Amino acid sequence: GQQVMQIPQYQHVQEGEDFTTYCNSSTTLSNIQWYKQRPGGHPVFLIQLVKSGEVKKQKRLTFQFGEAKKNSSLHITATQTTDVGTYFCAGRSTGNQFYFGTGTSLTVIP
Amino acid sequence: SQTIHQWPATLVQPVGSPLSLECTVEGTSNPNLYWYRQAAGRGLQLLFYSVGIGQISSEVPQNLSASRPQDRQFILSSKKLLLSDSGFYLCAWSVPPTNSWVNEQFFGPGTRLTVL
Repeated sequence: GQQVMQIPQYQHVQEGEDFTTYCNSSTTLSNIQWYKQRPGGHPVFLIQLVKSGEVKKQKRLTFQFGEAKKNSSLHITATQTTDVGTYFCAGRSTGNQFYFGTGTSLTVIP
Repeated sequence: SQTIHQWPATLVQPVGSPLSLECTVEGTSNPNLYWYRQAAGRGLQLLFYSVGIGQISSEVPQNLSASRPQDRQFILSSKKLLLSDSGFYLCAWSVPPTNSWVNEQFFGPGTRLTVL
């Protein structure tokens, strides 16, 4: 079955440092989404990428979709304490279902 | 606007007891509906999804089942709970996925299930 892996599983950074999480799929994806889950909360949608090589920015967050549409990354510049949470990618191939990555838990040390 | 409800918020059940978790969506019609399970500190595992009334696709064989008796109602059930069924259960809805527009999944608040 389809597998979506994320690395790293955990990341601790000093406030102001950058952070990157990587997502890799075993199959080619139609699109990929990113979600953020705050501790004790539910996942909240951040963005969707569709095109090969696509790059999208949301303030300090930069999202990339690989040329082969099998990998993606989320980069946060100058982390803040409000960035704390677990970041998930979710990939869709051809069906109705999205397969979530294993998640990267980000801790920001003030 | 659309809203998604899940209940109960927390549940403690003995091993071997039945389970029924309910999810309802308001403000949209014919949504895709999903059940996920999240073990402590882990990712989201897709359990079931539904594209319409009575249409259920199972992703992981297990002692859980799902039903969609109405368009905006999705139920997760078990006849006999196992210890390994403990986790955070999340219901989500989306418009049917395509590449033409953003089809984000909107998650409910979740049910934290502990099986003892």
